[in-house]
Amino acid sequence: GAGVSQTPSNKVTEKGKYVELRCDPISGHTALYWYRQSLGQGPEFLIYFQGTGAADDSGLPNDRFFAVRPEGSVSTLKIQRTERGDSAVYLCASSLLGAGDNEQFFGPGTRLTVL
Amino acid sequence: GDSVTQMEGPVTLSEEAFLTINCTYTATGYPSLFWYVQYPGEGLQLLLKATKADDKGSNKGFEATYRKETTSFHLEKGSVQVSDSAVYFCALSDRDTGRRALTFGSGTRLQVQP
Repeated sequence: GAGVSQTPSNKVTEKGKYVELRCDPISGHTALYWYRQSLGQGPEFLIYFQGTGAADDSGLPNDRFFAVRPEGSVSTLKIQRTERGDSAVYLCASSLLGAGDNEQFFGPGTRLTVL
Repeated sequence: GDSVTQMEGPVTLSEEAFLTINCTYTATGYPSLFWYVQYPGEGLQLLLKATKADDKGSNKGFEATYRKETTSFHLEKGSVQVSDSAVYFCALSDRDTGRRALTFGSGTRLQVQP
């Protein structure tokens, strides 16, 4: 079956612009996660959805970052007033139940470059 | 807070050599432990996992044992192949705290030479 998909695969924007990154999880997966991976580092947690609601947004770095999942499937990560430090690969993952030992399936990521 | 520490890379080995990548962790609760692998040009894939002390996760010839007494989850393989060249990430999920997200180490790049 289809895995987690993310669009676009690459996004180049200018400082101060607004961007949206999309994640389409595996069908039937109720849990969805966003992570950010900077060069040479491991992924860092941003936000976790269980269904339509954000169950844990403690990883969002500031109020320029926001994410939604209105119908409990596709999610959009939104970044306002982008800064050069936002440049990274943004990863989305989904899992069946959201339990701690439930395998998370990762998408290929969106590489964001802020000029 | 929770954290994962991995040995720094790159680790360069010849084909058929023995591999160890060290991983230690700090967790508030009783975590589940994972190794993820990222092959060149591909996304993160789960390699193996262990959910309680003394459990051994294994897959594709790789093994790791959950050692609660030393808070470690070292990755081993008896004979590496060129196709094992990738970046390996140790991670934990601290389910006791209700936190579902994974906490990752910084990754260890493995380069296997023919």
